[in-house]
Amino acid sequence: DTGVSQNPRHKITKRGQNVTFRCDPISEHNRLYWYRQTLGQGPEFLTYFQNEAQLEKSRLLSDRFSAERPKGSFSTLEIQRTEQGDSAMYLCASSVGQLMNTEAFFGQGTRLTVV
Amino acid sequence: DAKTTQPTSMDCAEGRAANLPCNHSTISGNEYVYWYRQIHSQGPQYIIHGLKNNETNEMASLIITEDRKSSTLILPHATLRDTAVYYCIVRDNTDKLIFGTGTRLQVFP
Repeated sequence: DTGVSQNPRHKITKRGQNVTFRCDPISEHNRLYWYRQTLGQGPEFLTYFQNEAQLEKSRLLSDRFSAERPKGSFSTLEIQRTEQGDSAMYLCASSVGQLMNTEAFFGQGTRLTVV
Repeated sequence: DAKTTQPTSMDCAEGRAANLPCNHSTISGNEYVYWYRQIHSQGPQYIIHGLKNNETNEMASLIITEDRKSSTLILPHATLRDTAVYYCIVRDNTDKLIFGTGTRLQVFP
C-alpha cells in the first residue's frame, strides 16, 4: 500500500505520560499536514511542513505538542504530559506541492485515548 | 473558521442520485472548492475539486454556480457504501484545508 501510513492506529495512555505518533507520507510528497479530530467534529488543522521546514502552527498546538520532519520524509507528533482533553483522532495528510490545484491524501489516523 | 455552509444531514435511497449542496458566498476568485468524505473511523477521502467549471470523475460530479457562491456534489447512483460525512471545503489562502462539520449522508436500502 503506497498511501499515507500512520502508526500506531490506537494508543491508550495514562494522563501525564508522553506519546509520539508517526506519519509516513506518500513517497515524493513534499507537503505533510497534521490534523486533530474529536467526536462529531471535522478535522482541525494543527501544523504543516514543506520538506523539513515547519511552515505554520495552529494556536491549537500548545507548548506540549511538537512536530518534526527531520529529513523531509516521515514526521512525528509528540504530546508531552498528556491530558484527557488530548483524546482524539490524530490525522496526517500529504500532498505534492501547494494545495492550489492538488489534493491532499489522508492516513487512517491514530486514535489517542488518555485515561 | 470554515468558509462553507452545509446541511447537517441528508438521506438518499440506494441507486438514486445524491445531491449535496454547499454554500460558499465569500469565496475569492482564485480559491478552489474541494470535497472530501469520511467514513466512520477512517481518514478523510478526497472526492473531487474545482475552480469554476463543472468537474466529473469516477466518483462524483461537481457543479459550481456561475457566481461561484455555491456548489453541489452529485453521487449519480448512491450505494450503501456512500454513507459517510461529506465535507465541502474552500481552500484557505494559507494553503491548508479548513474543515467544517460536513453533511452526514445516510443511504438507505
